[in-house]
Amino acid sequence: GENVEQHPSTLSVQEGDSAVIKCTYSDSASNYFPWYKQELGKGPQLIIDIRSNVGEKKDQRIAVTLNKTAKHFSLHITETQPEDSAVYFCAASIPNAGNMLTFGGGTRLMVKP
Amino acid sequence: DAGVIQSPRHEVTEMGQEVTLRCKPISGHDYLFWYRQTMMRGLELLIYFNNNVPIDDSGMPEDRFSAKMPNASFSTLKIQPSEPRDSAVYFCASSLGVLWRNTGELFFGEGSRLTVL
Repeated sequence: GENVEQHPSTLSVQEGDSAVIKCTYSDSASNYFPWYKQELGKGPQLIIDIRSNVGEKKDQRIAVTLNKTAKHFSLHITETQPEDSAVYFCAASIPNAGNMLTFGGGTRLMVKP
Repeated sequence: DAGVIQSPRHEVTEMGQEVTLRCKPISGHDYLFWYRQTMMRGLELLIYFNNNVPIDDSGMPEDRFSAKMPNASFSTLKIQPSEPRDSAVYFCASSLGVLWRNTGELFFGEGSRLTVL
């Protein structure tokens, strides 16, 4: 099955700096890569996703890049704000292998004011 | 829409007791998932349903765990008997269609925090 590794496990940045979280996956057949944000006491919420037919996707301060050759994808947050502090999870899904997501281990992002 | 609704939000029970967690998916969604979240193992998929039928239960830890979906708007996850190692946050999630197609998105509930003493 799919295996997703996520780094770093914790990340501390100053407000206004950029944050980058990286994930690698094992199965080259994976074609859907969502990112979730989980705030304390809440369920994960989708913030951005990318499918394998594109290499980059942006939504305001958030961007995701995908390198299918190297089997890795990254989340980039620019101009970080204290409300970006949360746990972020990457995930991957293999088409035609069930409707399942395999999650990375999570990154706790702390944005210091 | 109110989103995925789970109950109870918190449950404290003693070892050996039966625990039932409940979930109401988003109306119209045809897939329902149960996840477990712990510090050690992260987010693990336990089981998922499509149109009320269990499709993959390979993540269910053992026979003490069972899940049902009697209709499109309700699902339960039952643990009997419960053990301290079952302490975790259990999430229910739902989606409309498969995730790897253009319209797929997974919506999570707020979770049920279970503590087994």
